[in-house]
Amino acid sequence: DAMVIQNPRYQVTQFGKPVTLSCSQTLNHNVMYWYQQKSSQAPKLLFHYYDKDFNNEADTPDNFQSRRPNTSFCFLDIRSPGLGDAAMYLCATSRPVAGDIRNEQFFGPGTRLTVL
Amino acid sequence: AQRVTQPEKLLSVFKGAPVELKCNYSYSGSPELFWYVQYSRQRLQLLLRHISRESIKGFTADLNKGETSFHLKKPFAQEEDSAMYYCALYTGGFKTIFGAGTRLFVKA
Repeated sequence: DAMVIQNPRYQVTQFGKPVTLSCSQTLNHNVMYWYQQKSSQAPKLLFHYYDKDFNNEADTPDNFQSRRPNTSFCFLDIRSPGLGDAAMYLCATSRPVAGDIRNEQFFGPGTRLTVL
Repeated sequence: AQRVTQPEKLLSVFKGAPVELKCNYSYSGSPELFWYVQYSRQRLQLLLRHISRESIKGFTADLNKGETSFHLKKPFAQEEDSAMYYCALYTGGFKTIFGAGTRLFVKA
């Protein structure tokens, strides 16, 4: 089945130690997103890629970076994780259809990040 | 300000009872609204979108621009409807704002 895969499902890192979360997709979708979801809160968009074009949300901290080496893969790098960065990180994809970009997002299972 | 509000964190109903999950939005433009659902141990997935005007799994949602609401309704809840429901507002530029979610628990 075509899908969005996130690895690892659970990640533990130490305060200040860089960490990378990965996302891959077999849907061949143009757009890939990263969301941060803290406990009992809404998923919050960090950034997205439309093909190779990177779009950062204005309130995304500089500590968060992303890379998309090809259509299938997208990475979330947290350069110096703080305790406040502990959250579920969700990757999603979408594919604009015939100029209509109000289309469905397909989500991965998420990576739960713990910062010690 | 662009915002999606789901006032109930938890909604508990008996099987067969009607259910309504509330969603209110704040947006100056023409809203594009969605409901996403997350069943236990599954990923977040689209349930329905207002432009489709469709009924999915017995759920419907009507956009009320006067009340800035997009409530999700089902006349007879089933146990398998128990899940986390998120209302979402597309604001353009590939940005979607999600509400904090409502957990629906359908009791036997």
